[in-house]
Amino acid sequence: DAGITQSPRHKVTETGTPVTLRCHQTENHRYMYWYRQDPGHGLRLIHYSYGVKDTDKGEVSDGYSVSRSKTEDFLLTLESATSSQTSVYFCAIMGDDNEKLFFGSGTQLSVL
Amino acid sequence: GENVEQHPSTLSVQEGDSAVIKCTYSDSASNYFPWYKQELGKGPQLIIDIRSNVGEKKDQRIAVTLNKTAKHFSLHITETQPEDSAVYFCAASGLTGGGNKLTFGTGTQLKVEL
Repeated sequence: DAGITQSPRHKVTETGTPVTLRCHQTENHRYMYWYRQDPGHGLRLIHYSYGVKDTDKGEVSDGYSVSRSKTEDFLLTLESATSSQTSVYFCAIMGDDNEKLFFGSGTQLSVL
Repeated sequence: GENVEQHPSTLSVQEGDSAVIKCTYSDSASNYFPWYKQELGKGPQLIIDIRSNVGEKKDQRIAVTLNKTAKHFSLHITETQPEDSAVYFCAASGLTGGGNKLTFGTGTQLKVEL
């Protein structure tokens, strides 16, 4: 998975609790992305980062925040999880050609 | 923003037959069109991509065609094998200084039957 590690791989939490998902890369790529995958919707961009402390919103950013304090780590936080945020979350990095996206293995999040 | 539609949502073929998956996009400024394969429990894996200045690209049994005028592109898999069974996603983006923000189709579940 192109040197991408997502943690945790699975998480079950309760409505209203904060949740942080971590994406770690080993290859010093500039661009990192968070997508969510839901049946009937494909993958939708939540947030992305174009450098340390440089982030921007995607199409489904409401209820999510991100942080990137180091090149290798991109964190996705759900401040107060809701059932609608039950999903599979994928982190991606853009390769050296500044074109191709490579995805991690995903985090299955269930909000009860 | 960009909107990508993908058809069919499910596709069943016999081993050895060809499979075709079609996508349309809405933003004429899009110029990069990758295809991803996702196996159960794994992340999407890039299998082939095409830029807007190219009409067709092949890689062994896989090919992608692009019609910029009609704003549609297709994935062709020939001589299908059981290991081709997976979910396939098309995507589109306009490469800008802000990185590559892909818009995905909703996916096609391909089943190759023996």
